Amino acid sequence: ELKVEQNPLFLSMQEGKNYTIYCNYSTTSDRLYWYRQDPGKSLESLFVLLSNGAVKQEGRLMASLDTKARLSTLHITAAVHDLSATYFCAVVLNRDDKIIFGKGTRLHILP
Amino acid sequence: DAGVIQSPRHEVTEMGQEVTLRCKPISGHNSLFWYRQTMMRGLELLIYFNNNVPIDDSGMPEDRFSAKMPNASFSTLKIQPSEPRDSAVYFCASSLSGGSPLHFGNGTRLTVT
Repeated sequence: ELKVEQNPLFLSMQEGKNYTIYCNYSTTSDRLYWYRQDPGKSLESLFVLLSNGAVKQEGRLMASLDTKARLSTLHITAAVHDLSATYFCAVVLNRDDKIIFGKGTRLHILP
Repeated sequence: DAGVIQSPRHEVTEMGQEVTLRCKPISGHNSLFWYRQTMMRGLELLIYFNNNVPIDDSGMPEDRFSAKMPNASFSTLKIQPSEPRDSAVYFCASSLSGGSPLHFGNGTRLTVT
């Protein structure tokens, strides 16, 4: 059974700081997505990582994928208050395209 | 592109009643997923379809839950009878299989009293 673990589950940080969210998964996959969810809203796609070593950047967010380590990271550079949200990673099983989400990291950035 | 459309947005019902949630995926997408979100359990995959065929329903909690996809543009998730522990936000999402990300609907917030 595929397990997807994110850490930390909750993160409170000051504006201007850097931080990294980690996503570990337990079985073979070479596709991983990152999503953002604001309170009371739906999920919005941030990044699509489709191969080992993939790196994507958008503004202050950068995501990477290491399929050998079964690890993805979402790095936040010089955080701003607008990035406060819950961030989810989602792993696609190679064998059947099943998509499993981590529990999410609730990010609170203090102004 | 209207996005994934779910209805209703909110549903309040009494225990024991039947509840039907509806989803219209994005035109051309061939995969459809139903998820349930709660504070305690996060986002749980209930069932997903590929080309209208159910591929994996192992996440459906019990026999009270059923899902159908009669055609490429419509899916339903039914709970009969409903129980208070079914209260959650139910999301439908669609994608093009093969590496395309999921596009989520706005969700249905279900409250069972």
